[in-house]
Amino acid sequence: EAGVVQSPRYKIIEKKQPVAFWCNPISGHNTLYWYLQNLGQGPELLIRYENEEAVDDSQLPKDRFSAERLKGVDSTLKIQPAELGDSAVYLCASSPHSGSGADTQYFGPGTRLTVL
Amino acid sequence: AQSVTQLGSHVSVSEGALVLLRCNYSSSVPPYLFWYVQYPNQGLQLLLKYTSAATLVKGINGFEAEFKKSETSFHLTKPSAHMSDAAEYFCAVSTSGYSSASKIIFGSGTRLSIRP
Repeated sequence: EAGVVQSPRYKIIEKKQPVAFWCNPISGHNTLYWYLQNLGQGPELLIRYENEEAVDDSQLPKDRFSAERLKGVDSTLKIQPAELGDSAVYLCASSPHSGSGADTQYFGPGTRLTVL
Repeated sequence: AQSVTQLGSHVSVSEGALVLLRCNYSSSVPPYLFWYVQYPNQGLQLLLKYTSAATLVKGINGFEAEFKKSETSFHLTKPSAHMSDAAEYFCAVSTSGYSSASKIIFGSGTRLSIRP
């Protein structure tokens, strides 16, 4: 079974430029998460989807960040414009069920973003 | 509100020695608790989880953790460290049950180093 796929793995951009990250979850997983992981810190949730619906986007900085999950499968996270403080690893995860606090989350390898 | 505290951002042990990584949680409802491991340039991988069944939980790679409600702790142990155990370890807490409000909160992580 293929795991969570993310691309690109690394991205270097200049500040004020736009950037997009793509995630393909494990087949059949209803729930998809985007996390931000700063160096030396644990992941922090940005947004959670259950199928096509964003059920928790309370931590997403909506002035510059946007996300979509068309057809309830792949997802894209966008930043426009990027700021120096956005340099971090962006992790995507998926889990098989909707809304279960006990579910195991399966993580992709992440996209390491560097903003110059 | 839930939170999790990992005591010690860096732990170093000798190969063959006991590994003990500490985690304390705070939750107003019965929690689900997790330990994830992250190897360099990879996503997080589940080691084990507590979901209100047995208080002693066995995971992969010889790790186990014990849920102690009276101490609000969920410490991770392994009797004999191996060089391949060197990684970042994250404790996490989640609310129980099915709810659109269910979310997982990660600790800040503990980096485990193994001395030859």
